[in-house]
Amino acid sequence: EILLTQSPGTLSLSPGERATLSCRATQSVSITSLAWYQQKPGQAPRLLIYGASSRATDIPDRFSGSGSGTDFTLTISRLEPEDFAVYYCQHYGTSSVTFGGGTKVEIK
Amino acid sequence: EVQLFDSGGGFVQPGGSLRLSCAASGFTFSSYAMTWVRQAPGKGLEWVSAISPSSNSIYYIDSVKGRFTISRDNSKSTLYLHMNNLRAEDTAIYYCAKNLATGMAFYDSWGQGTLVTVSS
Repeated sequence: EILLTQSPGTLSLSPGERATLSCRATQSVSITSLAWYQQKPGQAPRLLIYGASSRATDIPDRFSGSGSGTDFTLTISRLEPEDFAVYYCQHYGTSSVTFGGGTKVEIK
Repeated sequence: EVQLFDSGGGFVQPGGSLRLSCAASGFTFSSYAMTWVRQAPGKGLEWVSAISPSSNSIYYIDSVKGRFTISRDNSKSTLYLHMNNLRAEDTAIYYCAKNLATGMAFYDSWGQGTLVTVSS
């Protein structure tokens, strides 16, 4: 089973700053099987990025994904007030799905 | 507009049973794989189970195998999760989610979630 480790656990930044979130897999994964989600308190998750770098529908271009092999990154180029939330990476295999533990992006 | 409405959660004693439902609208339900994801209070996301469009392929996380059963009724555009022999560790918000596309287990639409509490 592939496990995903996200870092840091919490990221304290100010609006307008750049956020860089990491997701590391225990073994190499296909870029087509990696996604990122945003979750705000009391809400369901929202798909941001799939296939490691493709933005989902209506996702602003300040969100970008990159990476390959075991290391993947979600970058938010300039944080807007609505971007402070928890972010999860996700991988799917042939018969199972795993999520990372999440990174909380909080206002500094 | 795609809409998913989760229901059926509640308070149940250990060993009890519940059936969750997810009513779908705004898309051709019978063309998409569907999934259940749960989130324990204050914790992260955990994939639980998935079912293919025609129910030919079904998958579960190990911790629920033999206790949970996923099913769907395409004529009613409804997804189900039958949960038996519930344990305290099954306490969570349960979300249904729609797969983005065939062969892509990414979830582009989610229900609002339904809370399951297992406690004596």
